[in-house]
Amino acid sequence: AQSVAQPEDQVNVAEGNPLTVKCTYSVSGNPYLFWYVQYPNRGLQFLLKYITGDNLVKGSYGFEAEFNKSQTSFHLKKPSALVSDSALYFCAVRDGRGFKTIFGAGTRLFVKA
Amino acid sequence: GAGVSQSPSNKVTEKGKDVELRCDPISGHTALYWYRQSLGQGLEFLIYFQGNSAPDKSGLPSDRFSAERTGGSVSTLTIQRTQQEDSAVYLCASSLGPGTGESSGNTIYFGEGSWLTVV
Repeated sequence: AQSVAQPEDQVNVAEGNPLTVKCTYSVSGNPYLFWYVQYPNRGLQFLLKYITGDNLVKGSYGFEAEFNKSQTSFHLKKPSALVSDSALYFCAVRDGRGFKTIFGAGTRLFVKA
Repeated sequence: GAGVSQSPSNKVTEKGKDVELRCDPISGHTALYWYRQSLGQGLEFLIYFQGNSAPDKSGLPSDRFSAERTGGSVSTLTIQRTQQEDSAVYLCASSLGPGTGESSGNTIYFGEGSWLTVV
């Protein structure tokens, strides 16, 4: 069975500093990995995904994520955080053989001015 | 439509009543998902449909929950005899099916959700 872990409930970072939101996964086959962001009282918005190819994936709003197969991780990063990045971030994994997609518990990012 | 459409956006119901939540996926998307998000919690997988295949119901929390998808498009999630612990946001999502290419397939697009409050 597939699973996703986001070990941090909350991440605090100062505006302008780099940010990292951690995600590790477990899946039987090849993983499809996703990051989504949720702003208050809104649905989830897609940020980026890893299917195959380059381990470093670039997505919306300057975010990127690095797929590390040996560490089964897919951490979300941004070189310089903005206050407007403050939101709830979800990592998700799908076993490449199917369609069931499992989400992590979410990490709340606070960016202080 | 342009995006995943869910209705109602908000629903307040009395404990013990049945509720139906509707989802209209993005046109052409053959995969449809239902998730539940309780206040401040992560996303709990409920069920997904893919084309004409049997749905994966492994996430439905009890037999009070059921879902159907008519004609491979619109889906309805039904909760019978609602309980207060059913209060949550119910999110629907859809994606393209298999064989559509790595660049565009497999991304799940979410609706705004149906906020259910059981009083």
